[in-house]
Amino acid sequence: EAQVTQNPRYLITVTGKKLTVTCSQNMNHEYMSWYRQDPGLGLRQIYYSMNVEVTDKGDVPEGYKVSRKEKRNFPLILESPSPNQTSLYFCASSLSRGPPYNEQFFGPGTRLTVL
Amino acid sequence: SQQGEEDPQALSIQEGENATMNCSYKTSINNLQWYRQNSGRGLVHLILIRSNEREKHSGRLRVTLDTSKKSSSLLITASRAADTASYFCATDPDTGGFKTIFGAGTRLFVKA
Repeated sequence: EAQVTQNPRYLITVTGKKLTVTCSQNMNHEYMSWYRQDPGLGLRQIYYSMNVEVTDKGDVPEGYKVSRKEKRNFPLILESPSPNQTSLYFCASSLSRGPPYNEQFFGPGTRLTVL
Repeated sequence: SQQGEEDPQALSIQEGENATMNCSYKTSINNLQWYRQNSGRGLVHLILIRSNEREKHSGRLRVTLDTSKKSSSLLITASRAADTASYFCATDPDTGGFKTIFGAGTRLFVKA
């Protein structure tokens, strides 16, 4: 089944304790992206990747890191989480970003609480 | 920065009625997409309309795009209780990068 998976689905942690949220897709998609969703703000893009070893900042990259060493995986790293990073995080992928343009497929989300 | 702005923020209708949601954006775009989200779950793609298209249909969905006004609308006809969800527009700006910018969404409640 074609899908985007994220782990963990729920995480409660403390300020300053490094964590990684994994994202994997099995559709051979080139483009992958991370978003955070906060009430009343919709989804805001954190980082995206056009392909292996090609990443770029979205609108809210501060406090986050990403890597794209393999095409299928795009982990999100919080080196020193803070309470303002408490949010619902989504990973997404799409076949490519150029014409003819393709929709993004979303993972189920990771609910992160930083105490 | 938020580019897409949906209107209204919330909409409550009776089953069988039509629901119309609007989206405005600020920069020129390559395409605009509409997504649905059921209560904190992952987003599901509904329809994509390219910048050179003006209208698109998919089942009970009709999307229009007016690039001169930088706006789009999503019409759901003959709504059902199962259409209750949040709806988001997302734009791929034509600014040289590959970002995607989502609006804050419209919450639709369809009463049975």
